[in-house]
Amino acid sequence: KQEVTQIPAALSVPEGENLVLNCSFTDSAIYNLQWFRQDPGKGLTSLLLIQSSQREQTSGRLNASLDKSSGRSTLYIAASQPGDSATYLCAVSPPELSFGAGTTVTVRA
Amino acid sequence: NAGVMQNPRHLVRRRGQEARLRCSPMKGHSHVYWYRQLPEEGLKFMVYLQKENIIDESGMPKERFSAEFPKEGPSILRIQQVVRGDSAAYFCASSPPASGGPTTGELFFGEGSRLTVL
Repeated sequence: KQEVTQIPAALSVPEGENLVLNCSFTDSAIYNLQWFRQDPGKGLTSLLLIQSSQREQTSGRLNASLDKSSGRSTLYIAASQPGDSATYLCAVSPPELSFGAGTTVTVRA
Repeated sequence: NAGVMQNPRHLVRRRGQEARLRCSPMKGHSHVYWYRQLPEEGLKFMVYLQKENIIDESGMPKERFSAEFPKEGPSILRIQQVVRGDSAAYFCASSPPASGGPTTGELFFGEGSRLTVL
């Protein structure tokens, strides 16, 4: 059974700092890994999808890496802004997703 | 191209009543997934469906819960005889098919249906 862990559970940084969010999973036989953002009372917004054959994906200020052999992924958010405050969720599949509990990020203005 | 549409967004039921949650996947998506998010907990997989087929229901409670995805119309998650512990946010996601396989695996989520049982 796949177990997904996210560390830290919460993170508070001043505006402008870079964010580093960690995700680990126990079964390396994954199809892909997806990072989501969830705002309070809202649904999930897909940020990045990394296929199992890929090592990283980038979108704007976001960069996610994947190391299947060690069962780890890291989400980097450069130059954080108050609008980045949200809960970030990591999930792995096949094909239904197993989610981590999330990292709640607060970016202080 | 509209996203994944869920309704109702909020639903209040008394204990013992039935709750029906509907999900229309994104256009062109043939795979639907239901997840439940309990207060202060993470998302838990419930069921994975394709049109007219349940592919994986390993996360569904054995009693009172059922799901369908008919040939026409939205996917329905049905909860019979609701109890207070069923109060949660229920999220639907859809994914497109991929050449050479059943799905790309990339999921797109709706805004969720929040069920409150009084």
